[in-house]
Amino acid sequence: SAVISQKPSRDICQRGTSLTIQCQVDSQVTMMFWYRQQPGQSLTLIATANQGSEATYESGFVIDKFPISRPNLTFSTLTVSNMSPEDSSIYLCSVVGGRGADTQYFGPGTRLTVL
Amino acid sequence: TQLLEQSPQFLSIQEGENLTVYCNSSSVFSSLQWYRQEPGEGPVLLVTVVTGGEVKKLKRLTFQFGDARKDSSLHITAAQPGDTGLYLCAGVRGSGYALNFGKGTSLLVTP
Repeated sequence: SAVISQKPSRDICQRGTSLTIQCQVDSQVTMMFWYRQQPGQSLTLIATANQGSEATYESGFVIDKFPISRPNLTFSTLTVSNMSPEDSSIYLCSVVGGRGADTQYFGPGTRLTVL
Repeated sequence: TQLLEQSPQFLSIQEGENLTVYCNSSSVFSSLQWYRQEPGEGPVLLVTVVTGGEVKKLKRLTFQFGDARKDSSLHITAAQPGDTGLYLCAGVRGSGYALNFGKGTSLLVTP
């Protein structure tokens, strides 16, 4: 299985600032995704992180608000820009491929609170 | 729009009881996964079902995929406190990997 780490594990931020979340995998993977889990809610897909090209965003999510990088097959970042309290959520990365084959594995998540 | 509807949303039962969680949709999925999530952690995959009518067993957990691949159920026999957690169903449409999640069923099993 793939082992995924996320940094930071949690943060408390002021409105108007930006936070970059890192996702590191211990093996090369085919696909990486970013999800959001708002308090008491299920997971919603934000975007697919594409290596070497722009991420593919789901309806309701835009690059200016959630810029994503994926410089190689084991690492991706998600930035939450110009934060507001409504951005308070758990942000999770997930991966498919590599040692995990077709199984989708999730990172532990980053708990973000915006004041 | 929620593609997958899960029920019940909350469930509190005594140790030893049986329970069933349902995941329903009007859409057809190429596969459906069940995950369990504990506080402070990401979802952990329990099972993937692919074929309509498929039944998979994982110890005391039985998963079924509907014949039309639009719905699924998770049955737990003789629940234990260690089964406590958030159970999520998630479906894949078409040939991609992006998951559509249900809202989850929060299960509490008390001794």
